[in-house]
Amino acid sequence: DTEVTQTPKHLVMGMTNKKSLKCEQHMGHRAMYWYKQKAKKPPELMFVYSYEKLSINESVPSRFSPECPNSSLLNLHLHALQPEDSALYLCASSLGTSANNEQFFGPGTRLTVL
Amino acid sequence: GQSLEQPSEVTAVEGAIVQINCTYQTSGFYGLSWYQQHDGGAPTFLSYNALDGLEETGRFSSFLSRSDSYGYLLLQELQMKDSASYFCAGGNRDDKIIFGKGTRLHILP
Repeated sequence: DTEVTQTPKHLVMGMTNKKSLKCEQHMGHRAMYWYKQKAKKPPELMFVYSYEKLSINESVPSRFSPECPNSSLLNLHLHALQPEDSALYLCASSLGTSANNEQFFGPGTRLTVL
Repeated sequence: GQSLEQPSEVTAVEGAIVQINCTYQTSGFYGLSWYQQHDGGAPTFLSYNALDGLEETGRFSSFLSRSDSYGYLLLQELQMKDSASYFCAGGNRDDKIIFGKGTRLHILP
């Protein structure tokens, strides 16, 4: 299984809602990532988990809260988001965190905040 | 800090060869990767260069010159399905990957 899965594919939420994005991989990868991508822009790194511990937080607002329940799962909890948070949220995984590791991306969750 | 510069768009003809350049400024540079992303799709890994020289994978090759802080992706025998955005991505010793702004490749029949 060389796939990263993400659910849901699409999400529409209001600014007062709480929702969660989910990501799963069964490749034995020990590094997992959240990226945010706006239209016609590159992916922007948000968080990195290494061996289930948060290793990098790119100064992301606290309304985004990541969680890594185990080595195969990565969640992103959303609360009190703003319309400008509407974007494609990509999860990725890699064998390790060093830059020479190929990252495998999931298909993304397209989030719309009303 | 880190930044990677690449052309915003490139146009080429089916069957031809195209080169997408990437120049970078990054502290603690630790290799250059290339990713392809089709519209509506997820980025997919194409290649990684840690050392100077050319890496070849089928129709795609990637080159790195660390002394020039420069790399390129070479696509040969272009096919219509190669129409996509191509990102160079630089890594550093803090294990952060920074993506360039992307090059949109248009292929004409």
